[in-house]
Amino acid sequence: EAQVTQNPRYLITVTGKKLTVTCSQNMNHEYMSWYRQDPGLGLRQIYYSMNVEVTDKGDVPEGYKVSRKEKRNFPLILESPSPNQTSLYFCASSLRRAGEKLFFGSGTQLSVL
Amino acid sequence: GESVGLHLPTLSVQEGDNSIINCAYSNSASDYFIWYKQESGKGPQFIIDIRSNMDKRQGQRVTVLLNKTVKHLSLQIAATQPGDSAVYFCAESQPNAGNMLTFGGGTRLMVKP
Repeated sequence: EAQVTQNPRYLITVTGKKLTVTCSQNMNHEYMSWYRQDPGLGLRQIYYSMNVEVTDKGDVPEGYKVSRKEKRNFPLILESPSPNQTSLYFCASSLRRAGEKLFFGSGTQLSVL
Repeated sequence: GESVGLHLPTLSVQEGDNSIINCAYSNSASDYFIWYKQESGKGPQFIIDIRSNMDKRQGQRVTVLLNKTVKHLSLQIAATQPGDSAVYFCAESQPNAGNMLTFGGGTRLMVKP
């Protein structure tokens, strides 16, 4: 089944403890992206990647890192999480580029205490 | 769909009625639009898309209308069912912003049995 898989689904952590949210897609998509979703603010893009080893900042990149060493994986790294990073995170991918139909993962609910 | 503070606009319809969800987009240069459905606890799911060279596109039980003059997009759902209850939001692709998708705040559709 074609899908975008994120793990974990739920994560509770404490301020400053490094964490990684994994994302993997099995559709051979070139474009991958991370979003956060907050009440009243909608979906905001954190980082995106046009292809392997090519990443770029989105609208709200502060406090996040990403890597794209393989086409299928695009992990989101929070080196030192803070409470304002408590949010619902989505990974998404599309076939070739931005501006195409995005396929979303099921989301990761992160709480930073 | 524009959000108002922390509260999403809500549309309540009777099962079997038609639903119309509206979205005002921001950029007259946007050339591609998508409607997504997001059920509680799930990631956004693609419903239908339309390019700016069209003003109407139909899918199964759904129709998207595009009015470029007033920068307005609407999603019509025929014979609304309880399973249609979800948050719906539009996204626009802006060529002058690297074709990035910009998402609206969403409208909550509630279907009364």
